[in-house]
Amino acid sequence: GAVVSQHPSRVICKSGTSVKIECRSLDFQATTMFWYRQFPKQSLMLMATSNEGSKATYEQGVEKDKFLINHASLTLSTLTVTSAHPEDSSFYICSAGGAGDYNEQFFGPGTRLTVL
Amino acid sequence: GQNIDQPTEMTATEGAIVQINCTYQTSGFNGLFWYQQHAGEAPTFLSYNVLDGLEEKGRFSSFLSRSKGYSYLLLKELQMKDSASYLCAVLDSNYQLIWGAGTKLIIKP
Repeated sequence: GAVVSQHPSRVICKSGTSVKIECRSLDFQATTMFWYRQFPKQSLMLMATSNEGSKATYEQGVEKDKFLINHASLTLSTLTVTSAHPEDSSFYICSAGGAGDYNEQFFGPGTRLTVL
Repeated sequence: GQNIDQPTEMTATEGAIVQINCTYQTSGFNGLFWYQQHAGEAPTFLSYNVLDGLEEKGRFSSFLSRSKGYSYLLLKELQMKDSASYLCAVLDSNYQLIWGAGTKLIIKP
């Protein structure tokens, strides 16, 4: 199946700093990538849909100035959490679509963000 | 509004069979996915149904009834490694994926 990588897998930072998370489709071109956030024992929450070369579409309630998304190429999308606060601590997962038989999404391994 | 319901938690015995149900009310329907998610890991794709009926893939099968807004995931010959959360997700008329909250499956020896 298609492979999506995500880096870093785990990050701990101080409150007020910015953190960048990279999502790469390794063996296919992903015109669309998705960014999710997942809190413990809860389901995935879609934050935004990212299309290559255009602005991301954010879900209601997600601050676009706080969660900056850049989809610069067909294989790379980045999520930057700006001025992170402890409430931003979560599991961030990206996914990419377009490579499977059913247009299913292939997920990266996730990034565990802890803001102190 | 759009809604997907699945049980929060289920327990089953190693070697047995378990059925995880999912009901949905969405604006349009373009397919239903089942994903498996182990604790602390990202989801992995299990199955896709867009037509009524049963799709079998090894120990896992998925069923869909569009008229009833209902699907189930059937796991046979349960193994300890099947302990995970199982997520039901529906692709609506805008091709947006609507996620259920997931069912945590606990396998006991």
